[in-house]
Amino acid sequence: TQLLEQSPQFLSIQEGENLTVYCNSSSVFSSLQWYRQEPGEGPVLLVTVVTGGEVKKLKRLTFQFGDARKDSSLHITAAQPGDTGLYLCAGDRGGSEKLVFGKGTKLTVNP
Amino acid sequence: EPEVTQTPSHQVTQMGQEVILRCVPISNHLYFYWYRQILGQKVEFLVSFYNNEISEKSEIFDDQFSVERPDGSNFTLKIRSTKLEDSAMYFCASSANSGGAPVEQYFGPGTRLTVT
Repeated sequence: TQLLEQSPQFLSIQEGENLTVYCNSSSVFSSLQWYRQEPGEGPVLLVTVVTGGEVKKLKRLTFQFGDARKDSSLHITAAQPGDTGLYLCAGDRGGSEKLVFGKGTKLTVNP
Repeated sequence: EPEVTQTPSHQVTQMGQEVILRCVPISNHLYFYWYRQILGQKVEFLVSFYNNEISEKSEIFDDQFSVERPDGSNFTLKIRSTKLEDSAMYFCASSANSGGAPVEQYFGPGTRLTVT
């Protein structure tokens, strides 16, 4: 069973602060996706990382894939209340079409 | 922007009844998926579908479940005889590619299934 562990599970910060959330596994993944999910809605794809060590930026969000392709991080600079949501990482092993999801980090950014 | 749509948004059914959940994937996508998310738990893979057949399924996807692409646009998940533990959000997803390319799956808004 491939597990993706996300930490922290909950994070509450003030507007303007920086934060990093983590997605870790003992398994190697062909790619990792980061999704954001609002209550009662489906996951929305933010980014896909494929190459070990890869860094991708999406405005104030920076995503990194670990060199060994077993872990990933999401860093948010100057968080805004609109960043509030559940951030999910999901990985695929290659040769399999299913995505394995972590349980998510629930982020609350207080104004 | 193209998106995956799902109907109904909420389905309430009695234990033992059959339900059909419907999805319209993104129009040029070829790979289709169903996932479920029990309240407070992880999103779990159920099944993938390509070229009019199941390409992969999980242990959850037993004989009570079936999928179908009845026409060129719809993709359905049928649960033959619902159980209380089938209560969950069911998400449809689709992707344009697979097999060697990054698996970028786009999810619909979900159907909340409540079995009473």
